[in-house]
Amino acid sequence: GESVGLHLPTLSVQEGDNSIINCAYSNSASDYFIWYKQESGKGPQFIIDIRSNMDKRQGQRVTVLLNKTVKHLSLQIAATQPGDSAVYFCAENPGGTSYGKLTFGQGTILTVHP
Amino acid sequence: NAGVMQNPRHLVRRRGQEARLRCSPMKGHSHVYWYRQLPEEGLKFMVYLQKENIIDESGMPKERFSAEFPKEGPSILRIQQVVRGDSAAYFCASSPRQGNRDTQYFGPGTRLTVL
Repeated sequence: GESVGLHLPTLSVQEGDNSIINCAYSNSASDYFIWYKQESGKGPQFIIDIRSNMDKRQGQRVTVLLNKTVKHLSLQIAATQPGDSAVYFCAENPGGTSYGKLTFGQGTILTVHP
Repeated sequence: NAGVMQNPRHLVRRRGQEARLRCSPMKGHSHVYWYRQLPEEGLKFMVYLQKENIIDESGMPKERFSAEFPKEGPSILRIQQVVRGDSAAYFCASSPRQGNRDTQYFGPGTRLTVL
């Protein structure tokens, strides 16, 4: 079936470094993508989103890149801090008759060392 | 503005009992979504509801699970005759409009343990 997946299940970085988390998706009809951060024992927290008519979107210290040609999504975190340590999920909304339904990837564990 | 609220945060049930999970969406949000998360896995969509309507229940198990979002009060996810495999974290999300036009904001989840 169609799914969203991640290339790297774990990522360890030093404080102050930039982090890049990758995600591959297989549903070419998806038109909306979201990155969530989930800390232990908590619900997913919205980070940033992007629609399929864009290829880049920037937030505070975060940038999401969308490459529709290869169906790839990435999250860049600048000057990574210990508080950024969490599991990061990409999610897609396929739109059409499946609107409202987010498909999540497996998650990448980001560990930031002081 | 309070976020999405879920209760209870932790729920322990014995096999065969019923579990009721409640979700109050953010103020002004009329769309509610339920997801289930097994340990070390991503979230899996279960059901999408608007007030008094089930829009998409394609992720709901065919038996024992039901959901509602009444005109007044919280959305309820009900699991009858729980089994150990139902142990998971259940998350509710809400949005002001339909999902692919607005971000879904998640609650803290209810962690269900079936003994």
